[in-house]
Amino acid sequence: GAVVSQHPSWVICKSGTSVKIECRSLDFQATTMFWYRQFPKQSLMLMATSNEGSKATYEQGVEKDKFLINHASLTLSTLTVTSAHPEDSSFYICSATANRGAIYSNQPQHFGDGTRLSIL
Amino acid sequence: SQQGEEDPQALSIQEGENATMNCSYKTSINNLQWYRQNSGRGLVHLILIRSNEREKHSGRLRVTLDTSKKSSSLLITASRAADTASYFCATDRNTGGFKTIFGAGTRLFVKA
Repeated sequence: GAVVSQHPSWVICKSGTSVKIECRSLDFQATTMFWYRQFPKQSLMLMATSNEGSKATYEQGVEKDKFLINHASLTLSTLTVTSAHPEDSSFYICSATANRGAIYSNQPQHFGDGTRLSIL
Repeated sequence: SQQGEEDPQALSIQEGENATMNCSYKTSINNLQWYRQNSGRGLVHLILIRSNEREKHSGRLRVTLDTSKKSSSLLITASRAADTASYFCATDRNTGGFKTIFGAGTRLFVKA
């Protein structure tokens, strides 16, 4: 159980393109989803926390207008990288929990397999 | 600065040997988790240890927690080539809402 599907797994596109990444919880209702960015051989950097039905909470230094997050249903959150540039190239990973992140501390997260984004 | 920091950064061992990875953190926690990441994949939750627990086992995994030293260790016994992966500890931080902070990770390579 607790499967999270992330799509697409690879994206290669030209600079200036907007890219949408989907994160779906397949067998549970994900009230909270997290979006991370990971550089090679480094740790995960939390970009934003997304609670279903409310606006995402972005981490300091993450541009809200650059990384649009929508969590419109209990099983789907999307991250759109708008007008992507080469410096946005990275590995993006989503995760989900069944509990609202604002209430419960550090619940086990269920991760998607990530999306490798390459901007030319 | 990172809440969790692992050492060593990289570890190479022979199959059958035990692998020990350590994690240190700075502020008080409610619990600490360990995750595993295969190359180019998402993370898989391995084990959660609460702040009032000192040791926890799950199969070949043994996790200890020393809150006085703000440190945790992950021991993998009788390692296998399939254990090759990066291992991260994760702690919580309450900044108006809980969020999980991941350490830098230990890259484990188990040679067959």
